[in-house]
Amino acid sequence: QVTLKESGPVLVKPTETLTLTCTVSGFSLSNARMGVSWIRQPPGKALEWLAHIFSNDEKSYSTSLKSRLTISKDTSKSQVVLTMTNMDPVDTATYYCARITVATIWRIDYWGQGTLVTVSS
Amino acid sequence: NFMLTQPHSVSESPGKTVTISCTRSSGSIASNYVQWYQQRPGSAPTTVIYEDNQRPSGVPDRFSGSIDSSSNSASLTISGLKTEDEADYYCQSYDSSNHPWVFGGGTKLTVL
Repeated sequence: QVTLKESGPVLVKPTETLTLTCTVSGFSLSNARMGVSWIRQPPGKALEWLAHIFSNDEKSYSTSLKSRLTISKDTSKSQVVLTMTNMDPVDTATYYCARITVATIWRIDYWGQGTLVTVSS
Repeated sequence: NFMLTQPHSVSESPGKTVTISCTRSSGSIASNYVQWYQQRPGSAPTTVIYEDNQRPSGVPDRFSGSIDSSSNSASLTISGLKTEDEADYYCQSYDSSNHPWVFGGGTKLTVL
């Protein structure tokens, strides 16, 4: 059974760095046909893709947020970590991690439940 | 980057058919696959269509996807509407090399 679970702070202050962890089970982060993405959703707004990480440690970032994001993984712990620097109230959102898998293209097949992060002083 | 534009909302009655469009602002819609996600209130999204018209296992065949090169858009069609289909629907595609990914603004489907 594939599961992904996000964890991290519920509340961060402006200018702080956010660190979120996605703990996966039911698959290995070393599987060449799988990776993990982070996607966020501000309250009442649309989904926004943030980053991917693949089994070979290749990474891809949102163009608009690239300077603030870092994605990494610890295969032995089955964890993917996303850091976002210089947090602002507009970054208040539910942050989802999702498994991506490749057949013809990379696509999401499983989503985590999401974690709501509020940015406020 | 390109944008994907969706209608803000659509509504239809149970048993009817509804189509949600997703128009790509630049680049050919046919060049990069489109995915569709359903998000019920208070829940995480789930995939209902991938690679333009493929349904993941467990998604009923009432859901179908297509693309129209003439309008540079993709469409999600839901037939035999049920109240449980009431949700937000998002399209998603990508630029070259399968990233970066772009999501549409979402469409709220009301089944009344």
